Amino acid sequence: NAGVTQTPKFQVLKTGQSMTLQCAQDMNHNSMYWYRQDPGMGLRLIYYSASEGTTDKGEVPNGYNVSRLNKREFSLRLESAAPSQTSVYFCASSRLNTEAFFGQGTRLTVV
Amino acid sequence: GENVEQHPSTLSVQEGDSAVIKCTYSDSASNYFPWYKQELGKGPQLIIDIRSNVGEKKDQRIAVTLNKTAKHFSLHITETQPEDSAVYFCAAMGKLTFGQGTILTVHP
Repeated sequence: NAGVTQTPKFQVLKTGQSMTLQCAQDMNHNSMYWYRQDPGMGLRLIYYSASEGTTDKGEVPNGYNVSRLNKREFSLRLESAAPSQTSVYFCASSRLNTEAFFGQGTRLTVV
Repeated sequence: GENVEQHPSTLSVQEGDSAVIKCTYSDSASNYFPWYKQELGKGPQLIIDIRSNVGEKKDQRIAVTLNKTAKHFSLHITETQPEDSAVYFCAAMGKLTFGQGTILTVHP
């Protein structure tokens, strides 16, 4: 049972490049989340998906897009990376009002 | 949207002392309040949670209290140990919004 799997674990991008962070869960959870974590800022919600086919903006959605491809997968896309998007990104999944499980994170550096 | 405030941002205690972390939330519709512990280089992991129909919950050395009227909830760790040192986050669901985190350091 893998839980929540994120790929890649590390990535370096040049300003203006694009990339997609992948997330998959095998717990049959309806809800999935993308967060970014910066020093001293805690976990800030980028996008949220309550169920397959639905997505909703979180606190810091600008510069990102998401796709809930199916119940298992929730991807985060940076169309034109900026240095301000240097961060650690976490994907999570849960059932409603129950424990959320997190992936191991993706450390992204934009130079 | 939901806003969660967490205090203090850092907390330093001696081994064996108690530690208390406090959070407030803004959305009265929130009804699930988890606490997570994050160790260096890892994703957050749930340590305890409470639902809105309960005022207090305890699990060994860890307890959480909830005051829905005042919209605040707290984490209590008793008999702290060095391995309790980590970053702790409160959250409210809704959309699972997190507080800013508390760096807890337990000195031997």
